[in-house]
Amino acid sequence: AQTVTQSQPEMSVQEAETVTLSCTYDTSESDYYLFWYKQPPSRQMILVIRQEAYKQQNATENRFSVNFQKAAKSFSLKISDSQLGDAAMYFCAYISGANSKLTFGKGITLSVRP
Amino acid sequence: DAGVTQSPTHLIKTRGQQVTLRCSPKSGHDTVSWYQQALGQGPQFIFQYYEEEERQRGNFPDRFSGHQFPNYSSELNVNALLLGDSALYLCASTQLLYGGYTFGSGTRLTVV
Repeated sequence: AQTVTQSQPEMSVQEAETVTLSCTYDTSESDYYLFWYKQPPSRQMILVIRQEAYKQQNATENRFSVNFQKAAKSFSLKISDSQLGDAAMYFCAYISGANSKLTFGKGITLSVRP
Repeated sequence: DAGVTQSPTHLIKTRGQQVTLRCSPKSGHDTVSWYQQALGQGPQFIFQYYEEEERQRGNFPDRFSGHQFPNYSSELNVNALLLGDSALYLCASTQLLYGGYTFGSGTRLTVV
C-alpha cells in the first residue's frame, strides 16, 4: 500500500524568509504524481504544486518549488519569500496510475512570523 | 466559474441518526471523490464516483454510501451515526486524475 509521511507537525518561518517542508512516500508503482495542497482556516484544500514522477525536472510555481528525489522517495516543498498568507496546513499527497485515490500525509502546520 | 460546492457547511446530528451531504463538482468535471478529515489529520479516501458508479472505495464500513447523478453531482450518506463520524467531509472533483483534484470547503459534521 502507498503511504505518505510528513514527520514535522509544525514549522515556523519569518516573513520574507525561505522554508522547506518535508515529505516522504512509499510506493512500488512507477507511474504516479505527487502534490502539495494548502489548507487555510477556510478549510478549502488548494492545489499548490504538482510533480509528475516521470519528469526529472523539479516543478516550480512562482514562490513555490519542489525538490523531487525519486530514488529516495522524497518530495519537499520550498516556499521562498514567505508571506503572512502562506500560513496554513500543508499536505503532501500521492496518486498513481493504478489507483485513482489521493493518499495524503498527516499535514504540517506552517506559521509565518511578521 | 464556480468551483466545487458542498452543502450544508455545518451539521449537528445525534448518534444513531442518518445524514446526507451534497456536492456539486466544478464545471467540466465528471469524477467526484469523498474524503473524511478528522481534526488535525490528513483526509482519508471514502469512495469515488464516475459515470454514476462507485469506481473505488476506501476502508470505510457499509454505513457510508453514495450516489452520483447524471449531472455529475453527488451525495454521501452515512447511516447509524457514531461519535467517531464527527469530522470534516470533503468533496473533490476532477476530469483528468493527474491534473489534480479541486476541493470544496467541506461539511463539518458533529455527532452528539
